[in-house]
Amino acid sequence: DGGITQSPKYLFRKEGQNVTLSCEQNLNHDAMYWYRQDPGQGLRLIYYSQIVNDFQKGDIAEGYSVSREKKESFPLTVTSAQKNPTAFYLCASSVRGPRTSGNTDTQYFGPGTRLTVL
Amino acid sequence: KNQVEQSPQSLIILEGKNCTLQCNYTVSPFSNLRWYKQDTGRGPVSLTIMTFSENTKSNGRYTATLDADTKQSSLHITASQLSDSASYICVVSGDALNFGKGTSLLVTP
Repeated sequence: DGGITQSPKYLFRKEGQNVTLSCEQNLNHDAMYWYRQDPGQGLRLIYYSQIVNDFQKGDIAEGYSVSREKKESFPLTVTSAQKNPTAFYLCASSVRGPRTSGNTDTQYFGPGTRLTVL
Repeated sequence: KNQVEQSPQSLIILEGKNCTLQCNYTVSPFSNLRWYKQDTGRGPVSLTIMTFSENTKSNGRYTATLDADTKQSSLHITASQLSDSASYICVVSGDALNFGKGTSLLVTP
């Protein structure tokens, strides 16, 4: 898991509620990422950030929002607009972002948060 | 369309045996290929990374191969241990990161 922490490990939410997942890293990495993992599927990119106060949509950004006010932190909010939010959410970081490194830098993943919508 | 296909989808082997996992890709352009190990309920951890010019890379009992001409990679696990039970994910870097769906490996006593 390196120097990346995610909290909480398990999260339960009622339909219609927004919920925020925490991701913190002490690796001094510029880039951070959020992925969603569903059973039998590969990781899918939700959002990524290459630098503070900058972030870009990934492949499945609808129903999610992020902020990058500090280099160490990249919280993900799952909004009520996300139709099927139950999943395992993974945060990752890398030294440089894709636009700078050409996707060559290794991503280091946090331990994940399992979100269940009741 | 960039794709990463892994096989088999799942595998059960006896402790101490060897096994080989496959990854075929159609990603272009190609930067590198990584194998990750993901324990159940945990985040993936990088095992190996190979660029276009590398065809073999080892990490302990894990050996990855890459054939850039046929766009195939394999991950060979030697003398498997119970702790090798996990999902193994192939990730190919190009203009974006392309993730395979993973191979679920179970090592039994």
